[in-house]
Amino acid sequence: QKEVEQDPGPLSVPEGAIVSLNCTYSNSAFQYFMWYRQYSRKGPELLMYTYSSGNKEDGRFTAQVDKSSKYISLFIRDSQPSDSATYLCAKQLSFGAGTTVTVRA
Amino acid sequence: DTEVTQTPKHLVMGMTNKKSLKCEQHMGHRAMYWYKQKAKKPPELMFVYSYEKLSINESVPSRFSPECPNSSLLNLHLHALQPEDSALYLCASSQDGQENYGYTFGSGTRLTVV
Repeated sequence: QKEVEQDPGPLSVPEGAIVSLNCTYSNSAFQYFMWYRQYSRKGPELLMYTYSSGNKEDGRFTAQVDKSSKYISLFIRDSQPSDSATYLCAKQLSFGAGTTVTVRA
Repeated sequence: DTEVTQTPKHLVMGMTNKKSLKCEQHMGHRAMYWYKQKAKKPPELMFVYSYEKLSINESVPSRFSPECPNSSLLNLHLHALQPEDSALYLCASSQDGQENYGYTFGSGTRLTVV
């Protein structure tokens, strides 16, 4: 079983919609989680990291950790075509499969 | 300077060639990483250097040889590669090797082995 599981999608939404991305993890000892965005033919870019449970907001992005269900989520409000990318959840050295998101103008 | 710089951006090499990938950061980060990424797959960890010492080698074949000359530089020496080694090779750095706060990645070297 992989340490972090992520549905690869793809996910297509209209501009302005809320994008909801989810991952599950297997080891309760994990406390720090990261979300990266990767545009085509570029390296991943760190969006946010979260610690333990609860929400963390940064502009249009909200990261959420639910330790009881071992679920981590990323929400993108008011999505824009420029948000079209692959989003990867991660813990320490391991990445989820990545979800490819397309925001349609 | 908040960047990780990788050179070259593209590399085509034959199976008998020897080449090197280079990575540089000037953020004062003390941990540096090599990842390999195949198309439509997540990055896979290859090597970790922490305070200039190799701390993790993820059972990578010996045709890949990492080197960390100093805290700002990371090299990956390539020799006798196979076509299946064609991939995007990513370098990353983190502040202290704890990895809890995420990495800064370079843009990668796109390697094609012919």
